[in-house]
Amino acid sequence: GAVVSQHPSRVICKSGTSVKIECRSLDFQATTMFWYRQFPKQSLMLMATSNEGSKATYEQGVEKDKFLINHASLTLSTLTVTSAHPEDSSFYICSARDTRTGADTQYFGPGTRLTVL
Amino acid sequence: QKEVEQDPGPLSVPEGAIVSLNCTYSNSAFQYFMWYRQYSRKGPELLMYTYSSGNKEDGRFTAQVDKSSKYISLFIRDSQPSDSATYLCAMSQMTTDSWGKLQFGAGTQVVVTP
Repeated sequence: GAVVSQHPSRVICKSGTSVKIECRSLDFQATTMFWYRQFPKQSLMLMATSNEGSKATYEQGVEKDKFLINHASLTLSTLTVTSAHPEDSSFYICSARDTRTGADTQYFGPGTRLTVL
Repeated sequence: QKEVEQDPGPLSVPEGAIVSLNCTYSNSAFQYFMWYRQYSRKGPELLMYTYSSGNKEDGRFTAQVDKSSKYISLFIRDSQPSDSATYLCAMSQMTTDSWGKLQFGAGTQVVVTP
């Protein structure tokens, strides 16, 4: 397997502030990482695909100016929720794509629970 | 119609029973098939990964893929209360512009009762 970490695991912030979430692949390099959002009792919703050294690709309906993604290295991608509002409260999960040995799968981080007051 | 169909459950089984989970899909271009386990408020954990049709076994877990029927299954033998979780099937196609994006099923909630 592989290990993907996320930091912070939980964050509470005031409305209007920005929050940065880090996603790291600890034991392999990932040229592609993904950011998901998950509401209670629902499946994961892909927000964007993050490729190292290039602009992220956002899914339809996801505001790129609100959810800023930076994939500055092969082991780190960050998601910044700008001017957060209560409706942005959710569980955010990242994953790192693993294509070693010809496989193609994703390993997920533990998630970050964001609460916007 | 969703690309990946999965019964959300809940599926309740007694401890020691076999848990049987399945997903159907409509896109014949899917080539990679995965099963993830997700505990409440945690990220999904990769359980099984398969590429070709057939069976793959890992401990108490067996994954089956039938590409001709567009049907995948996961079996958990000798189920334990610690297996209680949501199980997500996921699949992807290897194309230049897909970047390995996964299509998920809705997830099946499994409850193993002592």
